Amino acid sequence: AQSVTQLGSHVSVSEGALVLLRCNYSSSVPPYLFWYVQYPNQGLQLLLKYTSAATLVKGINGFEAEFKKSETSFHLTKPSAHMSDAAEYFCAVRGAGGTSYGKLTFGQGTILTVHP
Amino acid sequence: DAGITQSPRHKVTETGTPVTLRCHQTENHRYMYWYRQDPGHGLRLIHYSYGVKDTDKGEVSDGYSVSRSKTEDFLLTLESATSSQTSVYFCATEQGGYNEQFFGPGTRLTVL
Repeated sequence: AQSVTQLGSHVSVSEGALVLLRCNYSSSVPPYLFWYVQYPNQGLQLLLKYTSAATLVKGINGFEAEFKKSETSFHLTKPSAHMSDAAEYFCAVRGAGGTSYGKLTFGQGTILTVHP
Repeated sequence: DAGITQSPRHKVTETGTPVTLRCHQTENHRYMYWYRQDPGHGLRLIHYSYGVKDTDKGEVSDGYSVSRSKTEDFLLTLESATSSQTSVYFCATEQGGYNEQFFGPGTRLTVL
């Protein structure tokens, strides 16, 4: 079985401040991990993905995430928040075998608010 | 972006009526998925398809059925809509091989 926990359903930062969105996963096999962003009234868009290559993954819009196996974490960061980053962010894990093969399991989502 | 459209985009219906949502893709992706999104639950997989006429259940499949007669179309049917099926429904497609999933714009369904 696989699962994802996003710590904090709401995160608020000031424009220019560090963004840190937390994601911990559980997987019985080496995982593939994803971060998606959802702007209001839109579908989900892929920010970045980890597929067992480099542990530090760079994505679009200045976001990056680091895979830490020992901590079972895949936290999303951005050095300097912009007003346009306000959205809901989802972490997802994908099973590479067993009954979870190929299926994405999403976290509950974190709403990021950016204050001027 | 993969060309994915969903229809209708908004629908209000009454309890007990059947409802069909359509997902159409122009990318010739093999895999297609239906999710529902509810506050506090993220996205949950309803059904998925790994080829024409090949479908399987996801984690919240009760009360839903799907069909895929062509590569480009994946239909989700609520056999007898209930208020608990009020949600936003997303279709997604994937080329295969642990590639990313591309999402449609969503359908907001309200069951009164």
